[in-house]
Order: sequence, then C-alpha cells, then structure tokens
Amino acid sequence: GAGVSQSPRYKVAKRGQDVALRCDPISGHVSLFWYQQALGQGPEFLTYFQNEAQLDKSGLPSDRFFAERPEGSVSTLKIQRTQQEDSAVYLCASSLGAGTSQETQYFGPGTRLLVL
Amino acid sequence: AQSVTQPDIHITVSEGASLELRCNYSYGATPYLFWYVQSPGQGLQLLLKYFSGDTLVQGIKGFEAEFKRSQSSFNLRKPSVHWSDAAEYFCAVAPGTGGFKTIFGAGTRLFVKA
Repeated sequence: GAGVSQSPRYKVAKRGQDVALRCDPISGHVSLFWYQQALGQGPEFLTYFQNEAQLDKSGLPSDRFFAERPEGSVSTLKIQRTQQEDSAVYLCASSLGAGTSQETQYFGPGTRLLVL
Repeated sequence: AQSVTQPDIHITVSEGASLELRCNYSYGATPYLFWYVQSPGQGLQLLLKYFSGDTLVQGIKGFEAEFKRSQSSFNLRKPSVHWSDAAEYFCAVAPGTGGFKTIFGAGTRLFVKA
C-alpha cells in the first residue's frame, strides 16, 4: 500500500516568500506529525494532529508557521515570510491510532526547503 | 531537560564487521526508546523499539539494541554489517506514559567500506 507522501520534494524560496508544504498520510491514519530537520540534526517536533484537531503546536518556531488538516487527512504546513533559518527538511509522519508514543510513526520522504 | 545524545557523528566499519552505535538519554522517567534509520532521500524507518520487559530487543534487518537503565543507554548493534546498511541512524525517546512527543538524537552516519 501507499506510504506517507509529501510534496513538493524540493522547494527553493526567496527570503520573504510564503511556502506551503503538503503531506498525504497513510489512509485511515488518525494521527499526523510534522517535524523539522535541520542539516546535521535529528528531527524536531513541530506539531501534532489527531484527525482534524491540532492538539499540540508547541514546537512551531514562530507565528510565521501554520499547519492545518481540515478534513482529517491531508495536511499543509505553511510558512509565511520565509527566512534563511527556515531552510531544513520538513518531515511528516502518521500513525494509525491516537498518537501515543507506543504507536509506530510512518515517515514521508520529506520536503527539502532552501530559502535564499 | 530531556535529551538524547549520540556521541559519534559518524562511524566507518568494514563490511562483515560488527557494529555498535551508542545512545544515551536524559529523561525524567523511563521513556520508550527507539532506533530509526534514514537512507538518502527517504523517510525515517523504525528499526526497533523498547517499551518494557526484556532489555534486549530485536529489530528488522538483523539489528538489536540493549536497554541499560543504570547507564541510561540504548545502544544499537549488528553482528555483521552489509554495505546496504550505510545510512544515518537516529536514537529517539518518547514519554513512557501517554504523550506523543518524540525527541531525537542528532544522528550517527554509518559508512561501510568494502
């Protein structure tokens, strides 16, 4: 079956531009996570959805970052007025159940964002 | 503060040799522990996980890891490395009682030489 997909795979933005990153989770998965992975670092938690509800957004670096999952399936991470420090790989993961730490998270290939 | 330390940024081993990747964590209570592998251009894949019970856990691709509470460690091992094992490996911790935030280490890149 299909895994988690993300688009675009690569995005180059000029500083100040807005970008939108898409995540298609595995069908039927309740939980969806966004992570930011800077070069040479491990992923860092950004936000978590259970169905359409955003239950935790404590990892979003600033109010320029916004995520949504309006119908409980596809999710979009939007970054407004991009800055160079936003350059990173953005990973999406989904899990079948309610997102407790016992659940296996399935990761997408990521979107590599470069802000010039 | 909760953290995961992978002391080795990169490791090189010969094909067929044994492998051990180190992981130490700092956490308020006994967490759940994970190892993931990330190949170039691909997402993270779960190798194995520890929740409770037997401290030696087996994973996919011939990997195993041992939880040592006294050392706050969860080292990953493989008896014989294959060239296809070359990748980035991440150790991670998550709350052992509810919650969902996973904290990852910075990763160890494994190089395999012929």
